[in-house]
Amino acid sequence: AQSVSQHNHHVILSEAASLELGCNYSYGGTVNLFWYVQYPGQHLQLLLKYFSGDPLVKGIKGFEAEFIKSKFSFNLRKPSVQWSDTAEYFCAVNGNNRLAFGKGNQVVVIP
Amino acid sequence: NAGVTQTPKFQVLKTGQSMTLQCAQDMNHEYMSWYRQDPGMGLRLIHYSVGAGITDQGEVPNGYNVSRSTTEDFPLRLLSAAPSQTSVYFCASSYRGVGTEAFFGQGTRLTVV
Repeated sequence: AQSVSQHNHHVILSEAASLELGCNYSYGGTVNLFWYVQYPGQHLQLLLKYFSGDPLVKGIKGFEAEFIKSKFSFNLRKPSVQWSDTAEYFCAVNGNNRLAFGKGNQVVVIP
Repeated sequence: NAGVTQTPKFQVLKTGQSMTLQCAQDMNHEYMSWYRQDPGMGLRLIHYSVGAGITDQGEVPNGYNVSRSTTEDFPLRLLSAAPSQTSVYFCASSYRGVGTEAFFGQGTRLTVV
């Protein structure tokens, strides 16, 4: 079964700082990779996804992620965060007909 | 577009009570799934369905039942609620497979006392 690891579960940073969240997965087959965001009190929304092709994918709200197959990683980045980026971020990987999530990164952006 | 609709949004149960969490989607998605979200644990798959009449277990199925009689609906039943089932429950549906891009409902916050 696939598994997903996310590090630095709590991140606090100031507006305009850069953000990078790490995601590593383990799965032997072809994978599709996702980042979801959950704003306070809301449901999960898709931020971006990788199915195939260009390993650098761009999502909504200025987020991007890079798939590095050799490192089994799919790290999320944003060059300059805003207060409204305060949320919990989940990396997810599909395989074997299931979508597995990491434990999430709680990101707090201080104005 | 309603998307994925879950009811109720909040529920308090006593230990031993049973209840059904409702989930409906209007996107004609074949695949539906239930997750529970607990602090520091991410989302864990409870049960999923690849189509009407077909269901299977996820990571944490114990204490829960599901059925899928129609494409639109995928209810989750708690047979005898326990405090360990206090959680936020999310229903999701997808159009390409239970392991691909999923659309989530607003969640049900369940407390078992």
